[in-house]
Amino acid sequence: SQTIHQWPATLVQPVGSPLSLECTVEGTSNPNLYWYRQAAGRGLQLLFYSIGIDQISSEVPQNLSASRPQDRQFILSSKKLLLSDSGFYLCAWLPDRGRKGYTFGSGTRLTVV
Amino acid sequence: DAKTTQPPSMDCAEGRAANLPCNHSTISGNEYVYWYRQIHSQGPQYIIHGLKNNETNEMASLIITEDRKSSTLILPHATLRDTAVYYCIVPAGGTSYGKLTFGQGTILTVHP
Repeated sequence: SQTIHQWPATLVQPVGSPLSLECTVEGTSNPNLYWYRQAAGRGLQLLFYSIGIDQISSEVPQNLSASRPQDRQFILSSKKLLLSDSGFYLCAWLPDRGRKGYTFGSGTRLTVV
Repeated sequence: DAKTTQPPSMDCAEGRAANLPCNHSTISGNEYVYWYRQIHSQGPQYIIHGLKNNETNEMASLIITEDRKSSTLILPHATLRDTAVYYCIVPAGGTSYGKLTFGQGTILTVHP
């Protein structure tokens, strides 16, 4: 079956520390993958998307980066977190060629302190 | 993405139909309308999508006007668990491979 996994569920990190969030999908190959962020009380903002291994597009300039070292793995990273990086981070992909829309992971709630 | 406009909030009584409107007057002929919802502290969930014909699935119905400039998501018998933020989205380029732009959506509150 096609599933998406995202971890960790919650994370509290000090300012200036590094970040690594991982997303993996199962039951498919060559998926389009997306990272979204939702700040408190705000809508979802697209951060990065990837159409294949090592193919990353950034939507907004920021303190974050993304990588796709394997076909079904998408990683969100930061070398030094800022307070403004706090938020709810969601990974998404598009199963069944879009016949049922995007599927989102369960999300990671990041608090930078 | 084509710009969409939704009311910021709506209320609905449990067991009644919830009708959520969306305006997308700049939609192009090959662009789909997608609806998602987000329950508090969870990722968005796909509900339904359509191009020009009305659509129905196990979750909801989607009514698209003939000129395609607006649509209505209908939850026929709302339950308390339908309380969520509902997003109407028109991905750019007429392809579901396009990136999604989420606005503020409509906060639907279903009350007993």
